[in-house]
Amino acid sequence: NAGVTQTPKFQVLKTGQSMTLQCAQDMNHNSMYWYRQDPGMGLRLIYYSASEGTTDKGEVPNGYNVSRLNKREFSLRLESAAPSQTSVYFCASSRLRDTQYFGPGTRLTVL
Amino acid sequence: QQPVQSPQAVILREGEDAVINCSSSKALYSVHWYRQKHGEAPVFLMILLKGGEQKGHEKISASFNEKKQQSSLYLTASQLSYSGTYFCGTNVGGGADGLTFGKGTHLIIQP
Repeated sequence: NAGVTQTPKFQVLKTGQSMTLQCAQDMNHNSMYWYRQDPGMGLRLIYYSASEGTTDKGEVPNGYNVSRLNKREFSLRLESAAPSQTSVYFCASSRLRDTQYFGPGTRLTVL
Repeated sequence: QQPVQSPQAVILREGEDAVINCSSSKALYSVHWYRQKHGEAPVFLMILLKGGEQKGHEKISASFNEKKQQSSLYLTASQLSYSGTYFCGTNVGGGADGLTFGKGTHLIIQP
């Protein structure tokens, strides 16, 4: 099992450009999550999907959209990137009330 | 609201013990502990649930005081591999709505 995979691993964007971060899990988990991690801030929840067909906002959703494509895949889209969105983005998945397993992360720089 | 972790940083000699604390102002359903090494994804260590259930790493122990909404992670006979940043993540309702993480505790183990 690959666990949670994310693509791309690194990305550099110019202000105003758009991009989609991809996440897939092969553990048959119902719930999936997107976090961002900034120095000294810990991880902050952007959006989550409790089950296929549902998505909800987390702590810092502004500037992002998500799509739960199917049970395996959960994507994060930046429509118009801003320098404040420079961060490391982690996708995670879990069964209900169980531990979350994290992907390797995407390191995004917005110039 | 973000849980508060203490201490912010710890430097130990190999073989020494450490305790990392996590405190919340909200009534918690579960506390999750992760360790993250530089440039890598967070790795699951322990999950402690309201009511006493817990599961996780064999060599790491933790406690959860439901009355005080506090959790502590105990690292005994520390090894060089224990170095990293430790995060606690809290869940309030027991649903699939993600975790709220503390800012982390940096642990350095010296030979």
